[in-house]
Formats: sequence, structure tokens, C-alpha cells
Amino acid sequence: EDQVTQSPEALRLQEGESSSLNCSYTVSGLRGLFWYRQDPGKGPEFLFTLYSAGEEKEKERLKATLTKKESFLHITAPKPEDSATYLCAALHGSSNTGKLIFGQGTTLQVKP
Amino acid sequence: NAGVMQNPRHLVRRRGQEARLRCSPMKGHSHVYWYRQLPEEGLKFMVYLQKENIIDESGMPKERFSAEFPKEGPSILRIQQVVRGDSAAYFCASSPDNQPQHFGDGTRLSIL
Repeated sequence: EDQVTQSPEALRLQEGESSSLNCSYTVSGLRGLFWYRQDPGKGPEFLFTLYSAGEEKEKERLKATLTKKESFLHITAPKPEDSATYLCAALHGSSNTGKLIFGQGTTLQVKP
Repeated sequence: NAGVMQNPRHLVRRRGQEARLRCSPMKGHSHVYWYRQLPEEGLKFMVYLQKENIIDESGMPKERFSAEFPKEGPSILRIQQVVRGDSAAYFCASSPDNQPQHFGDGTRLSIL
């Protein structure tokens, strides 16, 4: 069964304390791995797409990487405004579906 | 550029009533997706539509739920004879021919 698992469920960091969020996936014929950020009461905001193992994408303090079994979201020197829930999603392998399979998310809190 | 617009943002229905949720995709996007987020659960795929066609409805409950994306106007997710278990946040996303999917801020459905 296709599955996406994120860890940890929650993460508390001090401002400036770098860390990584993990996303493990078992999806047949992965066509893309996506990272989103979700703030309370809002919809997911697109961050990155990764298509193949070894690929990396960066945006400000965030860097996403992909291997054959997992993806990492590295947060360098986080700020309080980085506090949010980070969602990982895998695009199913079937060519006629846009179905994203989401993990449960990691809720990040950055304290000043 | 306007993002994905969903309305209403909040909807309250009594058991047995009908709920209609609307989604206007981003300009230039012809692909629409609906997801449901139950309390304390992750986002779950429901249905994927292109103009006037349902492409993948593998996540839709077999009864009471339907979706459409007409040639003109917004996409509609319709829930007939709502029950307490339908209470959730319903998110719509849109994309151009290729990914990524961009999400609206959702409709929070509450069933009394």
C-alpha cells in the first residue's frame, strides 16, 4: 500500500538552531515528491518539488533533498516565522491521476 | 494573481441537509483536485477533475458525494444528506498541465 510517513510529529527549536524533518515514502512509481507549508486555518502553501534521487532544492532557510526512500527538509538557522506544519506528499505513479498521498505533517515551533 | 478561491470559508449544516462547496482554480489552471482533512488526520485525496471530466474519483465515498467541474464556472463538491462524520476541512487545489498543485484555504464544514 502506498504510504508517506513523516517524523517527528512535532519539533521545537530555538531560533537559530538548525534541524531536519524526515519524510519516508513507499509509493509505486513515484512521479514527484512535494513539500508544503501549512499555517493554522490556511491551505497548504507549495514549497518544493523533487523528481529524482539526488535532487536538491533551496529556498531561503529551507533545503529539500530526495533519496530513493526518503526526503529531508533541512531548516538552517530558523526564525519564529518559520513556525508552521510542514507537509510532505508523494505523487502516485499512475499516469492518469493527480493523486497526492500526504504524510501527517511535522509541526515546527521556533522560539525566539 | 489570484490564488485558488474557495467559498464559503465556513459552512454549517444540520444532519440530512445538502452541502455545496465551490472552488475557482487559479487563472490558466484546468486541473482541479479535492482533498479532505478530518480532525487530527492528514489530507486525503478525494477526486481529480479536468473541465467537464472526472479523471480519478478513487477517494470519493461511494454514496452522497459528487463533484463536477463544468465548462463555465467553479468546481463544485456536493454532499447530500450530510452526517456528523462529514465534518472536516475540504481543500481544493488546481494545477496547469503539469504539477505542482496549489491549494485554496479550504471550507470548514460543521454538521450540527
